[in-house]
Amino acid sequence: DTEVTQTPKHLVMGMTNKKSLKCEQHMGHRAMYWYKQKAKKPPELMFVYSYEKLSINESVPSRFSPECPNSSLLNLHLHALQPEDSALYLCASSLTTVRNEKLFFGSGTQLSVL
Amino acid sequence: QQQVKQSPQSLIVQKGGISIINCAYENTAFDYFPWYQQFPGKGPALLIAIRPDVSEKKEGRFTISFNKSAKQFSLHIMDSQPGDSATYFCAARGTGNQFYFGTGTSLTVIP
Repeated sequence: DTEVTQTPKHLVMGMTNKKSLKCEQHMGHRAMYWYKQKAKKPPELMFVYSYEKLSINESVPSRFSPECPNSSLLNLHLHALQPEDSALYLCASSLTTVRNEKLFFGSGTQLSVL
Repeated sequence: QQQVKQSPQSLIVQKGGISIINCAYENTAFDYFPWYQQFPGKGPALLIAIRPDVSEKKEGRFTISFNKSAKQFSLHIMDSQPGDSATYFCAARGTGNQFYFGTGTSLTVIP
């Protein structure tokens, strides 16, 4: 199994809503990542979890709150988002953050904020 | 500041032709250079990758050429097919397994 599974695939939310994005992998990877991608732009790193601990936070606004409940799951909690937060949110994983280079991406959640 | 510069922004190639995408970087600490292929509505998928101690790597129709002294690398797609039409991102790996992506190239292969 070399898949990173993200749910939901599409999400529409209002600016006052609270929603969560979910990501799951069963490859035994201990590093998981959230990226944000705007149309026709490269992915931008948001957060990195290494061994279930937050290791990198790229100065992301607090309306995005990541959570790593266990080594297979990664969540991104969303609250009071702005229309400019509409984007494709990608989850990725790798074996570790130290030596393994291969980054596996999920298909993403296409988020629209109204 | 863009850590990895990629060109061209878009590319149109006839079926059977060669597609060439170029990337350049400045940080000599980068130690791994992957190329990702992304179709609309999908996440990027690893296509091929190279380490800086190798000058060329070939996998099927895809070849990476790497010039360490010039700090440049390129992707060549031989015998380009309409199914290759996608956006291609080069990337470079820094410390902590952080990946820095190029700005992307939209490839269209005309039948």
